[in-house]
Amino acid sequence: DSGVTQTPKHLITATGQRVTLRCSPRSGDLSVYWYQQSLDQGLQFLIQYYNGEERAKGNILERFSAQQFPDLHSELNLSSLELGDSALYFCASSPHYNEQFFGPGTRLTVL
Amino acid sequence: SQELEQSPQSLIVQEGKNLTINCTSSKTLYGLYWYKQKYGEGLIFLMMLQKGGEEKSHEKITAKLDEKKQQSSLHIPASQPSHAGIYLCGAPSGDDKIIFGKGTRLHILP
Repeated sequence: DSGVTQTPKHLITATGQRVTLRCSPRSGDLSVYWYQQSLDQGLQFLIQYYNGEERAKGNILERFSAQQFPDLHSELNLSSLELGDSALYFCASSPHYNEQFFGPGTRLTVL
Repeated sequence: SQELEQSPQSLIVQEGKNLTINCTSSKTLYGLYWYKQKYGEGLIFLMMLQKGGEEKSHEKITAKLDEKKQQSSLHIPASQPSHAGIYLCGAPSGDDKIIFGKGTRLHILP
């Protein structure tokens, strides 16, 4: 158990819908990272927040957004969902530069 | 941009056999992570290599970083069914980002 929690574990929704994925980092970790893992693309970095502020952006679509709240939990919002958005979404938290601890992931299925 | 290539992509070995997984970077490596992922689950941190020539181990799994070759290898001796899963290498890539290879799927035959 990494100490990072993610909810929900599974999410099934329809195209065009909007969903919110939640992540609670390990106690004391200020950084939160979001990743998308699909079979063809592998694990792709989406976005990083540090203490409530966006720190780095990766291959995140404009339909996706994230935020980190004062209590350090983070949410990833995915809107206008497409079939290709079906993937595992991971959150990771970090106590310091470069060491990341991953949550169990949210499996999103878009039908 | 930096890319990590893992080889092989997939590996099936008989229980008890040794195996090696490689991770090669397109750019200079300033560190390398190895993670293990059970199918459909989260990533488990195995180890982090920071210096050329450094070798570390995690529960008899060893990994080494060859800075000159921009490569790391992960070695599993006497493989067990519990070793099955996906092994991912990751490298720091600017700011606090980590980029990952596409993974090596390891299956262990009893």
